Amino acid sequence: ILNVEQSPQSLHVQEGDSTNFTCSFPSSNFYALHWYRWETAKSPEALFVMTLNGDEKKKGRISATLNTKEGYSYLYIKGSQPEDSATYLCALINAGGTSYGKLTFGQGTILTVHP
Amino acid sequence: DGGITQSPKYLFRKEGQNVTLSCEQNLNHDAMYWYRQDPGQGLRLIYYSQIVNDFQKGDIAEGYSVSREKKESFPLTVTSAQKNPTAFYLCASSWQQNTEAFFGQGTRLTVV
Repeated sequence: ILNVEQSPQSLHVQEGDSTNFTCSFPSSNFYALHWYRWETAKSPEALFVMTLNGDEKKKGRISATLNTKEGYSYLYIKGSQPEDSATYLCALINAGGTSYGKLTFGQGTILTVHP
Repeated sequence: DGGITQSPKYLFRKEGQNVTLSCEQNLNHDAMYWYRQDPGQGLRLIYYSQIVNDFQKGDIAEGYSVSREKKESFPLTVTSAQKNPTAFYLCASSWQQNTEAFFGQGTRLTVV
């Protein structure tokens, strides 16, 4: 089983605070690392798909970095807003072997932004 | 509208009965996935399929079965062998390995 670990498990911040979460993984044998946002009563939606070491993505106030050599990815939210409250999921797709194409998720980080 | 559809949204079954959850997509995606979520836990992979007529076990396949006879459909059967079937089930699909996955709305299964 590919172990994808996310930290922290949950996070409470005040509106306007900037915050970041971590996704760590033991292997670089994967096609891509995904970040998803999962809001209550909705389906998970993709934020970023990252494929290269040193890859950086940005969408508005949210950005992500990937370091495959060290085995981690960071997701940053600048100036958090209450509507950013959600569970943030990290996932990896296996690149080879018998688990080719397997999409494995971490446990998620639950973010709550207080007004 | 293109998308991925799961039905039904809520499902109740008696213990010992098999039940099949539907997942249909019209996005022309090759890959499809089934996940289970339990309270306080993340998404755990049950089965996945990269192509029609082929599928692989995920991390918690025991007590489940799938088929992939058509590209757009990936039904999941929860058999009576699954010891704790009550859970929230999510289906997803993606076009290629380095593209995002799209999710259905989920089916909440309650076995009584």
